Amino acid sequence: DAGITQSPRHKVTETGTPVTLRCHQTENHRYMYWYRQDPGHGLRLIHYSYGVKDTDKGEVSDGYSVSRSKTEDFLLTLESATSSQTSVYFCAISESANEQFFGPGTRLTVL
Amino acid sequence: GQNIDQPTEMTATEGAIVQINCTYQTSGFNGLFWYQQHAGEAPTFLSYNVLDGLEEKGRFSSFLSRSKGYSYLLLKELQMKDSASYLCAVRDQGYALNFGKGTSLLVTP
Repeated sequence: DAGITQSPRHKVTETGTPVTLRCHQTENHRYMYWYRQDPGHGLRLIHYSYGVKDTDKGEVSDGYSVSRSKTEDFLLTLESATSSQTSVYFCAISESANEQFFGPGTRLTVL
Repeated sequence: GQNIDQPTEMTATEGAIVQINCTYQTSGFNGLFWYQQHAGEAPTFLSYNVLDGLEEKGRFSSFLSRSKGYSYLLLKELQMKDSASYLCAVRDQGYALNFGKGTSLLVTP
């Protein structure tokens, strides 16, 4: 299995608070991605990174920001969490154009 | 943009064969992926097709027709542990994947 961890694995927070999710990899893969998964929508791309300090927006980027200061870490920040951001968040990594490997996920609840 | 369609649910019997279809309309195409996802777990990679034809990997096979915007995942000799969601995803010009909503497969005894 690819070495990908996500932290925290579960979080409950209140509307309006900032939240940061962390994705950490030990594979030295160049590309990293953040997805959210919701019933009826499938996996949707939030942001992705193609190198240190190089990031781009995905399909559902509003309300989210990311940072990648090191190859191994990709942070997803919700500046002011809203109930619509309650979801399961998956990080993924890839080195090439082929398969992406997914982390275990973070279940976020915004009350 | 991307439009990826797959059936919402399917049911099949243990030991049988099931085919899960995926159709797509994309502005670019650089490969089609199938992932398996058990409830509460992360998606895991099953197959990748970039050229037309059939790719076989054990009990699982995946087919692609680029001209028709069509793929299928074929699961043979179904086992109870194959009950899961199966996700079809297309990669366009970049490296990000665009996923369909997934097909929930229930394998019954």
